[in-house]
Amino acid sequence: DAGVIQSPRHEVTEMGQEVTLRCKPISGHDYLFWYRQTMMRGLELLIYFNNNVPIDDSGMPEDRFSAKMPNASFSTLKIQPSEPRDSAVYFCASSLGEDQKLFFGSGTQLSVL
Amino acid sequence: GQQVMQIPQYQHVQEGEDFTTYCNSSTTLSNIQWYKQRPGGHPVFLIQLVKSGEVKKQKRLTFQFGEAKKNSSLHITATQTTDVGTYFCAGPTSEGGATNKLIFGTGTLLAVQP
Repeated sequence: DAGVIQSPRHEVTEMGQEVTLRCKPISGHDYLFWYRQTMMRGLELLIYFNNNVPIDDSGMPEDRFSAKMPNASFSTLKIQPSEPRDSAVYFCASSLGEDQKLFFGSGTQLSVL
Repeated sequence: GQQVMQIPQYQHVQEGEDFTTYCNSSTTLSNIQWYKQRPGGHPVFLIQLVKSGEVKKQKRLTFQFGEAKKNSSLHITATQTTDVGTYFCAGPTSEGGATNKLIFGTGTLLAVQP
């Protein structure tokens, strides 16, 4: 099992640019989560999907953030336009069913200059 | 809103010493999970506790879920340098939704001096 795969590992961009983060969950998992980690705010849940359907996006900070899951094996998190305060590590995680452990990807380190 | 706090934020120990981190939730939790994140890495699941007063052991690690299901602890006996990292507790949010919609604690960073 390859685990949860995220790309890119590192992204450096300039303020105002569009950023797209990608995630491939573990095959067969029906839940997908996007988390953001910063020193100040810790691990924050941004949005989660169940069977490719967005269930709760209340953690998405602003309209500049959007997420999609077009199929069971792929999800994107897009920031447009990006701002320096978006700099963080973004993790994707997947799980099988409720009450189950989360498997995290290696994360994307985003730096917005 | 719901909060999950951990103490201490940081602990530095000599190799061989014991270590404990405490997790406190502002609301009752149906279950609690613990994760470990190595420096530069991603959170990795360690264990899940479900029952009030439950105690589970994994080698040198002992996990406990409080009787009121609002607190938990992780104790490491005789720390090793491989124990270095940040330990997070996590529990389902009280706002409804999937029970694997987790709110993570603030984390405890453990440093181990050889």
